[in-house]
This record gives sequence, structure tokens and C-alpha cells, in this order.
Amino acid sequence: SQQGEEDPQALSIQEGENATMNCSYKTSINNLQWYRQNSGRGLVHLILIRSNEREKHSGRLRVTLDTSKKSSSLLITASRAADTASYFCATVGGTSYGKLTFGQGTILTVHP
Amino acid sequence: ETGVTQTPRHLVMGMTNKKSLKCEQHLGHNAMYWYKQSAKKPLELMFVYNFKEQTENNSVPSRFSPECPNSSHLFLHLHTLQPEDSALYLCASSFRRWTSGGGETQYFGPGTRLLVL
Repeated sequence: SQQGEEDPQALSIQEGENATMNCSYKTSINNLQWYRQNSGRGLVHLILIRSNEREKHSGRLRVTLDTSKKSSSLLITASRAADTASYFCATVGGTSYGKLTFGQGTILTVHP
Repeated sequence: ETGVTQTPRHLVMGMTNKKSLKCEQHLGHNAMYWYKQSAKKPLELMFVYNFKEQTENNSVPSRFSPECPNSSHLFLHLHTLQPEDSALYLCASSFRRWTSGGGETQYFGPGTRLLVL
């Protein structure tokens, strides 16, 4: 079954550094989305990249998609302590009609 | 979290109790979802409602019973739960464009933290 799998499972960095998280999936997709979750709270949508796109930017976020390798990466530049959260990728397959399949997430800790 | 509210935020119940979780979206969306998030497991989709019609039941036990009276409200009725049902239950909504085949951005509520004793 199709599932986003994030790597690494946990990432610890200092404020100002860049954070890179990776996501791999198994089958073809319509789009891939990244979400953020603060501890015990709901998920917040960060960015959506479609299967025909290779790169997308939003503020300090940069997402890439390589459909040949079935992988995506999320880069957060100049990280801040407030970026501390769990980050999830979610994939939407060709016939799943809105069903998001989430990975287990990357826990990012940014130390001030 | 803005636009999708969930109540209660925390719930403790015994295995013989009956309780309901409520979700309300103020975004004009036409699709709503229930997810379960357990420790050390990926977020699991439970139910999908499109235009108030249930379009997906992801093999969820019958002790979970969803209800969608209109496109703004979604309930999850709980009865005779098990301790392993303890989790964070998240509601989400989206605007489904049928021509796009789905997969739009979903907006999540803050969740209900459920503990079954």
C-alpha cells in the first residue's frame, strides 16, 4: 500500500540552521502534501506539490518532488525555535479521491 | 486549526460509557474526515463524508459510529470502547472539486484527546 515514510524520525538543530526532512512513497501520486503538528494538536497544512511539479517555495519552506525516485524533501531555512514540531508528508494517489495517506513523521527540535 | 473546531478537547470514559465527539467547520467545505492518531503509528483515516454521504469507512469497528447531519457538522459516537482506542481523534475538512479527483488541502481541528479506562 502507498505510504509516505519520513526520514529522519527525529532531527535536532540549532536556531538559524537549515532543517531537511525527506519523504518516500511507494506508488504513483496525484500530489504530495506536507503538514506540521505541534505537540498534541491538530495538523496545519504547509504546502502542496503536484505530481507534475518539481519544486515549490513558501516563505522559508522549500519542497522538492522527484517522482522517478518517489521521494520528496522539505527544507526549512533559517530555523527558529517556533519551528519545533512534528512534520508529516501525506500522499494522494490516482484513484483515492481525497484520501491522504500519512507517514509517521519527523520530530524536529530547534534549540534557541 | 482556525475554522475547524472540536469538542470536547479531552475526554475520559469507561468501557461501558457512551459519548460523542463533535466537529464543526466554518469554512464552507463539503467534505469532512475523522482520523485517529495513536502513539508511534501513522495518522489513520477512519471515515470520509462527501456532501453528507459517507464515502469511506476504513474498516473501523462498529463501536465507532459517525454521523454527518449537514456539511458543517460531523459527529463520532462512541460506545463500549476498549483501552486501545485511547488516542487523539482529529477531524478535518476540505473543499472537494469533483473535476480534480480529490486530494485537496485538508484543514484540521485541534483534536479530542480520548482516554478509555
